[in-house]
Amino acid sequence: QKEVEQDPGPLSVPEGAIVSLNCTYSNSAFQYFMWYRQYSRKGPELLMYTYSSGNKEDGRFTAQVDKSSKYISLFIRDSQPSDSATYLCAMTFNDYKLSFGAGTTVTVRA
Amino acid sequence: DADVTQTPRNRITKTGKRIMLECSQTKGHDRMYWYRQDPGLGLRLIYYSFDVKDINKGEISDGYSVSRQAQAKFSLSLESAIPNQTALYFCATSTGVGQPQHFGDGTRLSIL
Repeated sequence: QKEVEQDPGPLSVPEGAIVSLNCTYSNSAFQYFMWYRQYSRKGPELLMYTYSSGNKEDGRFTAQVDKSSKYISLFIRDSQPSDSATYLCAMTFNDYKLSFGAGTTVTVRA
Repeated sequence: DADVTQTPRNRITKTGKRIMLECSQTKGHDRMYWYRQDPGLGLRLIYYSFDVKDINKGEISDGYSVSRQAQAKFSLSLESAIPNQTALYFCATSTGVGQPQHFGDGTRLSIL
């Protein structure tokens, strides 16, 4: 079993829809949680960074962490074609190793 | 200019060749990392370095070596390339405990 499981997708939604992305994990020691966005032929770009449980909002993006269920989510409101990318969840408990999900590819149709 | 720069961006080479991928950063971060990305497997850590004198193996270091020439430069070498090392390679940097990592745009490496 992988340490971090991410819904594989792909996901295709119409412009303006809410995109919901999810990851589950097995290591209860994880306490720092991240979402990265990766466009084709580019490196992962940090989108959201949260510590411990709770919600964090940044513009159209909301990250949720539920440590009791070992579950994290990213919501994208009012999705735009420019949101079409692969989204990676990542998490860590120590100071060097990030554990990544395999990524979910999202396409927002105009 | 990009904060984390990787060269080359693309490379095609033959089995058995020695390959060096280079990474330089202007972020002033002490910690640098090398990852490979394969479809369905996500990002896997090859090597990491906390400073010039501190280099450590990651989860998939066999067949790879690294050199930290300066705080800002971290190179990855494939001593004798093999086809299953065909992948996207990313360099990343970070600051302290639990901090997010910042990635370059990668090197697409194909080994024939």
